[in-house]
Amino acid sequence: DTVLTQSPALAVSPGERVTISCRASESVSTLMHWYQQKPGQQPTLLIYLASNLESGVPARFSGSGSGTDFTLTIDPVEADDTATYYCQQSWNDPTFGGGTKLELK
Amino acid sequence: EVQLVESGGGLVQPGRSMKLSCAASGFTFSNYGMAWVRQAPTKGLEWVATISYDGSSTYYRDSVKGRFTISRDNAKSTLYLQMNSLRSEDTATYYCTRGASYYPYWGQGTLVTVSS
Repeated sequence: DTVLTQSPALAVSPGERVTISCRASESVSTLMHWYQQKPGQQPTLLIYLASNLESGVPARFSGSGSGTDFTLTIDPVEADDTATYYCQQSWNDPTFGGGTKLELK
Repeated sequence: EVQLVESGGGLVQPGRSMKLSCAASGFTFSNYGMAWVRQAPTKGLEWVATISYDGSSTYYRDSVKGRFTISRDNAKSTLYLQMNSLRSEDTATYYCTRGASYYPYWGQGTLVTVSS
């Protein structure tokens, strides 16, 4: 299985720029996707195929990367962005990263 | 509006079976691959199984192969997950999702608790 590694937590202030990283154990080309999950809710798709913004998602969210290193950027961060963010690859059997919990100071 | 509504979860004893259903609406169900993704309490997301748009191809994570079966009824716009020989480690919220590689739509989830 392709293992995806994310930092477990980040704390930022509203208005700042935050980058959330995801490293794959092998190249997944650009077959990387990002989700947001708020407590008690199902996940929602933010970015697909590394850099494509899902319809209805604010332009504050962006994605980049290819191969093994990927980044989700939120700029500027808002209070409502408090959530856990997951990366997911579809190069082979789907796997998810462990999630990055974003907290606002 | 795309809607995915799961049902069938609950408390089940280890070794027993349970069948989950997912009623889909708001899109042409027979045009899309579908998948189940689960989340153990306080844990991350874990892909379980995928089925092609016509049901001809199915894929499973290793830990459920031979125990779980994903299926679909396109006439009823319904996705299923038959779970046999359940284990405590199968305890999770099970989400129905649309998509075969990434998942733009998710149901609200149904909780399966495997415990004696």
